[in-house]
Amino acid sequence: EAQVTQNPRYLITVTGKKLTVTCSQNMNHEYMSWYRQDPGLGLRQIYYSMNVEVTDKGDVPEGYKVSRKEKRNFPLILESPSPNQTSLYFCASSLRGRHNEQFFGPGTRLTVL
Amino acid sequence: QKEVEQNSGPLSVPEGAIASLNCTYSDRGSQSFFWYRQYSGKSPELIMFIYSNGDKEDGRFTAQLNKASQYVSLLIRDSQPSDSATYLCAGDDPGGYNKLIFGAGTRLAVHP
Repeated sequence: EAQVTQNPRYLITVTGKKLTVTCSQNMNHEYMSWYRQDPGLGLRQIYYSMNVEVTDKGDVPEGYKVSRKEKRNFPLILESPSPNQTSLYFCASSLRGRHNEQFFGPGTRLTVL
Repeated sequence: QKEVEQNSGPLSVPEGAIASLNCTYSDRGSQSFFWYRQYSGKSPELIMFIYSNGDKEDGRFTAQLNKASQYVSLLIRDSQPSDSATYLCAGDDPGGYNKLIFGAGTRLAVHP
């Protein structure tokens, strides 16, 4: 089954404790992206990747890191989480091109205390 | 600042009626527009996409695009309670690689 998976689905952590949210897709998509979703603000792009070893900042990259060592995986790293990073996070992937659908993972609900 | 604007709702319609969801976008260079449906706590799923002026129909859903007015809409005919969800409008960012700009979403409530 074609899908995007994320782990963990739920995470409660404390300020400053490094964490990684994994994302994996099995559709051989070149493009992958991370979003956060907050009430009233919609989906905002954190980082994206056009292919292996090619990443760039989105609209809200502060406090986040990413890597793309393999085509299928695109982990999101919070080196020192803070309470304002409490949010719902989605990973998405698509083929290249402006007309292509982005497929979303199931989401990770993160709470930073 | 490139924006996609939607009325947050809630839009409340009776079962069987037509629901009309609208959005406007600020960047005339945007070419492709997507409507995603999102149930509470779930991930967005694609309903329709459109990139040509005019209407595009798929079952009970019709997407409409008017590039001159920078306006996109989604009509849902014969609305069902299962259509109750938040609908996200997104346009591609001409300056960004594969990037989508999302509106904040319109919450639709279909009541029996």
